[in-house]
Amino acid sequence: EAGVAQSPRYKIIEKRQSVAFWCNPISGHATLYWYQQILGQGPKLLIQFQNNGVVDDSQLPKDRFSAERLKGVDSTLKIQPAKLEDSAVYLCASSSRSRFDNSPLHFGNGTRLTVT
Amino acid sequence: AQSVTQLDSHVSVSEGTPVLLRCNYSSSYSPSLFWYVQHPNKGLQLLLKYTSAATLVKGINGFEAEFKKSETSFHLTKPSAHMSDAAEYFCVVSEPGNAGNMLTFGGGTRLMVKP
Repeated sequence: EAGVAQSPRYKIIEKRQSVAFWCNPISGHATLYWYQQILGQGPKLLIQFQNNGVVDDSQLPKDRFSAERLKGVDSTLKIQPAKLEDSAVYLCASSSRSRFDNSPLHFGNGTRLTVT
Repeated sequence: AQSVTQLDSHVSVSEGTPVLLRCNYSSSYSPSLFWYVQHPNKGLQLLLKYTSAATLVKGINGFEAEFKKSETSFHLTKPSAHMSDAAEYFCVVSEPGNAGNMLTFGGGTRLMVKP
């Protein structure tokens, strides 16, 4: 099966600019996650979708970050305006899990964002 | 609230020697536990998972982990390291939350393998 696809792989922007990342999960996976991984740290959940609904966005900085999954398939994560501390790898993951099972997550290769 | 502590940020071993990556967790429930591996510029790949069946869990690439409830530990081991094992390893705990199962990642352990 095809894995989780993310684009772009790398992005360099200046602070206060905007940027968007795209993710296409594994076909049929209802749950989609966006994680932020700062260098030297473990991934931190930004937002979790179940189909096209948001399950958890408690750690999403909503003043600058937004995400959507309009048709319950692919998803876009946007940052506007970017700050230096947003420099990180943004990982998308998908799972066939329902809200209360423990099917593993499948991760994409991530987008490495550098804000200068 | 759940948390995960990976006790070593870096571990260095020689090729052919055993690997031990340590993980302690805290959880209000009987958690599910995972180990993921991340090679440079790659996403995370599942190594193994524990979901309240056998306490000794075997994963891919010769790795295994033992769930010890009394010690709240889930250490990852491999009898003989290979150069290709050099990567970042993450211990993950999952327990029920209001919005569904909540995953918490440890800070990671970078494994270096010397020839």
